Amino acid sequence: DSGVTQTPKHLITATGQRVTLRCSPRSGDLSVYWYQQSLDQGLQFLIHYYNGEERAKGNILERFSAQQFPDLHSELNLSSLELGDSALYFCASSVDGLSYEQYFGPGTRLTVT
Amino acid sequence: EDQVTQSPEALRLQEGESSSLNCSYTVSGLRGLFWYRQDPGKGPEFLFTLYSAGEEKEKERLKATLTKKESFLHITAPKPEDSATYLCAVRGRNSGGYQKVTFGTGTKLQVIP
Repeated sequence: DSGVTQTPKHLITATGQRVTLRCSPRSGDLSVYWYQQSLDQGLQFLIHYYNGEERAKGNILERFSAQQFPDLHSELNLSSLELGDSALYFCASSVDGLSYEQYFGPGTRLTVT
Repeated sequence: EDQVTQSPEALRLQEGESSSLNCSYTVSGLRGLFWYRQDPGKGPEFLFTLYSAGEEKEKERLKATLTKKESFLHITAPKPEDSATYLCAVRGRNSGGYQKVTFGTGTKLQVIP
């Protein structure tokens, strides 16, 4: 158990809908990272928040957004969902903003039908 | 752009048959190379961080080594419970100063009893 929690574990929704994925980092970690993992692709970096502020964006679509709250938990919002958005979404945390060892949560499996 | 290539894509070993997994990388200013283990449907589990050529780290049957161009994950006398996908990632200093982590697509290891 990495200490990072993600909810929900599974999510099934229809095209065009909007969903919110939630992540709580390990105690003491200030950074939260979001990744997408599809069947035929590796882990794709989406976005990084450090202590409530956005630090970097990766391959994140404009339909996706995220935020980190004062209690350091983070939410990833996915809107206007398409079939191709079906994937595993992982959250990771690290102690600071320099991308040291990242500890991953169990993931949320999103299925868009 | 930073790149990570892992080989082979898949590896099947008999229990006790030692082997090595390869991770080749190109990165601007290596700030760390990471190895993770990922079981199906679960989040990656952190194994090692290597920072400079010549560095080695060990954990049970696993040993990670690093050169200026590649890293190896040596598995000695593997057991069926070592079956997993092993991911390699690098942290590099990109333009603008942000140290992004780039993952490879992994080597899927199967250890047969």
